[in-house]
Amino acid sequence: GGIITQTPKFLIGQEGQKLTLKCQQNFNHDTMYWYRQDSGKGLRLIYYSITENDLQKGDLSEGYDASREKKSSFSLTVTSAQKNEMAVFLCASRDWGAYYAEQFFGPGTRLTVL
Amino acid sequence: GDSVTQTEGQVALSEEDFLTIHCNYSASGYPTLFWYVQYPGEGPQLLFRASRDKEKGSSRGFEATYDKGTTSFHLRKASVQESDSAVYYCALSAHTGGNNKLTFGQGTVLSVIP
Repeated sequence: GGIITQTPKFLIGQEGQKLTLKCQQNFNHDTMYWYRQDSGKGLRLIYYSITENDLQKGDLSEGYDASREKKSSFSLTVTSAQKNEMAVFLCASRDWGAYYAEQFFGPGTRLTVL
Repeated sequence: GDSVTQTEGQVALSEEDFLTIHCNYSASGYPTLFWYVQYPGEGPQLLFRASRDKEKGSSRGFEATYDKGTTSFHLRKASVQESDSAVYYCALSAHTGGNNKLTFGQGTVLSVIP
């Protein structure tokens, strides 16, 4: 088994601020993901990384940067937080190339922008 | 592109009621289909998956059958319990070369009243 850890659990920021969310996994998975979860909109992919040193944009990458520091860690940066923004950011990991493989998710970081 | 549509945004039932959550998909070939469940304060977790036409996935009393003819993977449970209250996501993974992405539906919030 393994676990995905996301820090911080709650993040409160100011409008225009740059904010960084961190994710660690000990599954030894190659592929990692960042999703944004909004009520009624499901999970939308922001960035993913197939292997270490790889970075791919998802459907919602504008306004975000990502960094895969090493195989076990994947960070997401909100480049300029938007006022009244509230969302949950979920990190996930999965074996590379196994299209039938499940994704494992972390518990999420809840963002509030004042 | 690939897409997943869940018809119900919210479902409210009493204990022992029958549950159906509709999921229809659009993708080429034979995608793998998934149902994920998300409990409050946690990330989504895999309920079950299916990869072939007419294959039935099941877990914890929930089941769904892959139907390529109607491009559907509807979630059913004969008798729901209060502990089933959660958000349910239908998702697909397309079998194109090197594809590592899941496409999620909008999610269905299930509330079971004791």
